[in-house]
Amino acid sequence: EAEVAQSPRYKITEKSQAVAFWCDPISGHATLYWYRQILGQGPELLVQFQDESVVDDSQLPKDRFSAERLKGVDSTLKIQPAELGDSAMYLCASFQTSGTNTGELFFGEGSRLTVL
Amino acid sequence: DAKTTQPNSMESNEEEPVHLPCNHSTISGTDYIHWYRQLPSQGPEYVIHGLTSNVNNRMASLAIAEDRKSSTLILHRATLRDAAVYYCILRDVAQGAQKLVFGQGTRLTINP
Repeated sequence: EAEVAQSPRYKITEKSQAVAFWCDPISGHATLYWYRQILGQGPELLVQFQDESVVDDSQLPKDRFSAERLKGVDSTLKIQPAELGDSAMYLCASFQTSGTNTGELFFGEGSRLTVL
Repeated sequence: DAKTTQPNSMESNEEEPVHLPCNHSTISGTDYIHWYRQLPSQGPEYVIHGLTSNVNNRMASLAIAEDRKSSTLILHRATLRDAAVYYCILRDVAQGAQKLVFGQGTRLTINP
């Protein structure tokens, strides 16, 4: 069964360092999402892509966070510099925009970030 | 985005049915009702969704009130593997972007 791949699974870094997360969505899924989930809370949408274009990045802290999906396939989320409050699970999800779909978003297992 | 209200936590026993409620009094005519669940240390996974009629699949059933202001996710025979956080989410298909806005969800505990 096709899956959304994310790496790294775990990342520990010191504050002020740069961090990057990678996501490879299910093949053919044009819509890709990055969510952040702080422990004990529900996921919060950071950015949404349609192919290579950003559709919604209203909740992305743009002074330190950036996201790209250059060829409309895989995507990278970067944090520079990392702060203590960035410790969270970063989740990637993809959605099949066209054709028959159940309205189902497919999530990866996430990348857990700890900032010391 | 229309908002949903769920209990913070619920508890049930193994092999018994579980009814997880969700209130969405401000739902619009084009909002689909989605349910996702999140097992410990995993990403959310899709459970079921519906618009007006009750829906069944291999995982669960979704009962939607006639006025659509509430819905109930039904797990017919809970197992220990069903222990998770369950999220009830509204998705507006009238909007071009398919965006899911998660709330706090209901933490379901299953007792052996």
